[in-house]
Amino acid sequence: NAGVTQTPKFQVLKTGQSMTLQCAQDMNHEYMSWYRQDPGMGLRLIHYSVGAGITDQGEVPNGYNVSRSTTEDFPLRLLSAAPSQTSVYFCASSLRDRGSTGELFFGEGSRLTVL
Amino acid sequence: RKEVEQDPGPFNVPEGATVAFNCTYSNSASQSFFWYRQDCRKEPKLLMSVYSSGNEDGRFTAQLNRASQYISLLIRDSKLSDSATYLCVVKRRVGGSYIPTFGRGTSLIVHP
Repeated sequence: NAGVTQTPKFQVLKTGQSMTLQCAQDMNHEYMSWYRQDPGMGLRLIHYSVGAGITDQGEVPNGYNVSRSTTEDFPLRLLSAAPSQTSVYFCASSLRDRGSTGELFFGEGSRLTVL
Repeated sequence: RKEVEQDPGPFNVPEGATVAFNCTYSNSASQSFFWYRQDCRKEPKLLMSVYSSGNEDGRFTAQLNRASQYISLLIRDSKLSDSATYLCVVKRRVGGSYIPTFGRGTSLIVHP
């Protein structure tokens, strides 16, 4: 059981470039989300989705786009990379019907550096 | 004020020690509470949920105080392998979903 798979694990971009971080889960989870983690800042929610075709903004959505065309996939797009987007990005998913008690399962993270 | 606050530490303790972490949350509408563990350069993983009556899992005990809006994690008989960052997580209802907010984490270092 693969769980939550993120690609790539490492990426270096130049300012202004665009890229997509991929996230896929094979647990039939309705809820999927993207976080960024910066030193001293903890995990901050970028965007989330409660099912195919539904997305919403989290705490720090600016500069990022998401889409949810299938239950399995939730890609995160950086439209025009900036050095402030240098971070570790985590994708996480959970069963929505567990309501408030659902465990979040995380991917292994994607380390992005923007020069 | 951040919605979920934790003392970042580090807490530096010898093996066998008992150590406790607290976490405070600001939104009284928060519904559910958790502790996650994150090892260096790894993804967070669920350690335990926190129930109103308090709950225990082996050497770990979690407590919730809704009136004072804090949760705690107690680790007894610390092991070297307990060295990690412990993340406090609080979920609150937003529309029809329960959205988690993470604290910044508390670093624990257990030394021989």
